[in-house]
Amino acid sequence: KQEVTQIPAALSVPEGENLVLNCSFTDSAIYNLQWFRQDPGKGLTSLLLIQSSQREQTSGRLNASLDKSSGRSTLYIAASQPGDSATYLCAVLNYGQNFVFGPGTRLSVLP
Amino acid sequence: GAGVSQSPSNKVTEKGKDVELRCDPISGHTALYWYRQSLGQGLEFLIYFQGNSAPDKSGLPSDRFSAERTGGSVSTLTIQRTQQEDSAVYLCASLSGRAVNEQFFGPGTRLTVL
Repeated sequence: KQEVTQIPAALSVPEGENLVLNCSFTDSAIYNLQWFRQDPGKGLTSLLLIQSSQREQTSGRLNASLDKSSGRSTLYIAASQPGDSATYLCAVLNYGQNFVFGPGTRLSVLP
Repeated sequence: GAGVSQSPSNKVTEKGKDVELRCDPISGHTALYWYRQSLGQGLEFLIYFQGNSAPDKSGLPSDRFSAERTGGSVSTLTIQRTQQEDSAVYLCASLSGRAVNEQFFGPGTRLTVL
């Protein structure tokens, strides 16, 4: 059974810092991995999707990497801003077409 | 519409009543998922529809929960005889398919059972 974990559970950083969020999964037979952000009381917004054949994806200040063999993905946020404060979730898509989500990392960027 | 929509955005009901939650996926998306997110918790998978195939109901927590998808588009999640532990945000997502399989989420329905 696929299990997804995220470290740290919560992170607080001053504005301008670069930071890394970690996602680990137990079964490497995944179709893709997707990173989301969730603002309080809101739905999930897709940030980046990495196919199993890819190693990284970039969008603006965000970079996500995937090491399928070791069951790890990282989300790198450069020059963090207070507007980046949110909960960040990773989800893996198994070949059975079911998604498994991590518990999330709650990020606070202090001005 | 441009994205996934859900209605109502908020629903307050009394214990024992039935509720219906609606999801309108992105046009053309063949797959649709329902999740539940309790306060401070992660996302819990409930049910998955893919085209005309039988839905994957493995995540439904009890037989009080059911869902249908009419015409391969709009989906309704029904909770019968609601209990206080059913209080949560119910999220719907549709899948882009076409070998990308990216999920797009709706804003959710916040259900409160008194």
